[in-house]
Amino acid sequence: QLQLMESGGGVVQPGGSLRLSCAAPEVTLSDHGMFWVRQPPGKGLEWVASVSYDGREKYYAEPVRGRFTISRDNSKDTVFLQLNSLTLGDTAIYYCAKYGLLSGAMDVWGHGTTVIVSS
Amino acid sequence: YELTQPPSVSVSPGRTARISCSGVTLSELFANWYQHKPGQAPILVMCKDDERPSGIPERFSGSVSGTSVTLTITGVQAEDEADYYCQSADNNGTYVLFGGGTKLTVL
Repeated sequence: QLQLMESGGGVVQPGGSLRLSCAAPEVTLSDHGMFWVRQPPGKGLEWVASVSYDGREKYYAEPVRGRFTISRDNSKDTVFLQLNSLTLGDTAIYYCAKYGLLSGAMDVWGHGTTVIVSS
Repeated sequence: YELTQPPSVSVSPGRTARISCSGVTLSELFANWYQHKPGQAPILVMCKDDERPSGIPERFSGSVSGTSVTLTITGVQAEDEADYYCQSADNNGTYVLFGGGTKLTVL
């Protein structure tokens, strides 16, 4: 089954920054909108950000707006999430997901990368 | 805008499980369903309210009525034990919404 691969997670102090990456060895991402979704410990899935196939349109969930930036490099078939001014509440597994044109849903996901914000 | 799911549903093997999701936007926008097991990538199991993606078993079905959607698993198997999330969008189709998730326990 096709999957995406996230990387860049780690342990960071409050106020710190991280850059997450999402690549797809078997999937061409440049034709698709992309999402970042996170799951805090013991909680459900939470949408973080979206980017259109060409990178022109970007949308953010309220808790991360102004601190996180989603971007993409279609020449490298990679999507990024820049996390700045991190807080304890940003601790979560971060998943990237691809928008399926036929399904109108997130049809391919990765296993996630873990971000831990701790002092 | 919110999507509301029951926190948990329990069912015996071979029986039928129904997981509901309610929200005002569901009367106008499609809902999708994801299955999520610990340590694994989420899997799309139902899209556009009632369309089953390729590779998803026929025992999974979806329906919509007014501002609610339902994921039905007929003949539940042990492997179906997981968290299930409904997902839609706000009224502009811009912001993604997830329900709180329903933990399906197979007794």
